[in-house]
Amino acid sequence: GDSVTQTEGLVTLTKGLPVMLNCTYQTTYSPFLFWYVQHLNEAPKLLLKSSTDNKRTEHQGFYATLHKSSSSFHLQKSSVQLSDSALYFCALSDPGTQVVGQLTFGRGTRLQVYA
Amino acid sequence: DMKVTQMPRYLIKRMGENVLLECGQDMSHETMYWYRQDPGLGLQLIYISYDVDSNSEGDIPKGYRVSRKKREHFSLILDSAKTNQTSVYFCASSLSGRQDTQYFGPGTRLLVL
Repeated sequence: GDSVTQTEGLVTLTKGLPVMLNCTYQTTYSPFLFWYVQHLNEAPKLLLKSSTDNKRTEHQGFYATLHKSSSSFHLQKSSVQLSDSALYFCALSDPGTQVVGQLTFGRGTRLQVYA
Repeated sequence: DMKVTQMPRYLIKRMGENVLLECGQDMSHETMYWYRQDPGLGLQLIYISYDVDSNSEGDIPKGYRVSRKKREHFSLILDSAKTNQTSVYFCASSLSGRQDTQYFGPGTRLLVL
């Protein structure tokens, strides 16, 4: 079945530094990948999404490129801010899944930014 | 303003009691979802609904049932709640499923004693 792996449970950084949150996936079909962000005690919100191979997608200073050859969709930002502290989920939509519309979520990576 | 609402926001129940969680959306979305979120496990899909009375099980449907009688409302029911159903429950909606963005509600924190 489909799966999404986020290798880091917690990433801690000083503000102003770059960050990369890892996301790899397994699927049989052509995937659609998402990043959702959840701030403390809030609902998850879409950060960005992509289904186009090797094309960079950007939103709110974050960017990610879907690489089908390596089954990866890593999230990056060149300079993190205190307000970026949140839980980040990578998710996969697979057109071949039995449950149409189901997203497979990774376990999430908590990003903690310090001053 | 696109919005998903959930009621109640916080709930404490005793084991064996019935629980009703309600979700509404004002976007005329066809597809609605119920997830639970536990630390370190991410978001797990309980049920998905494609329209009124058109529901499918997700990954963890055991112990839950759902009801969708109007497109804008989607209820999650726990008949005889168990302590391991203590969790944060999120409702979400999307235009039609597949690659559409899912919009999440604020969540319901359920504690089953």
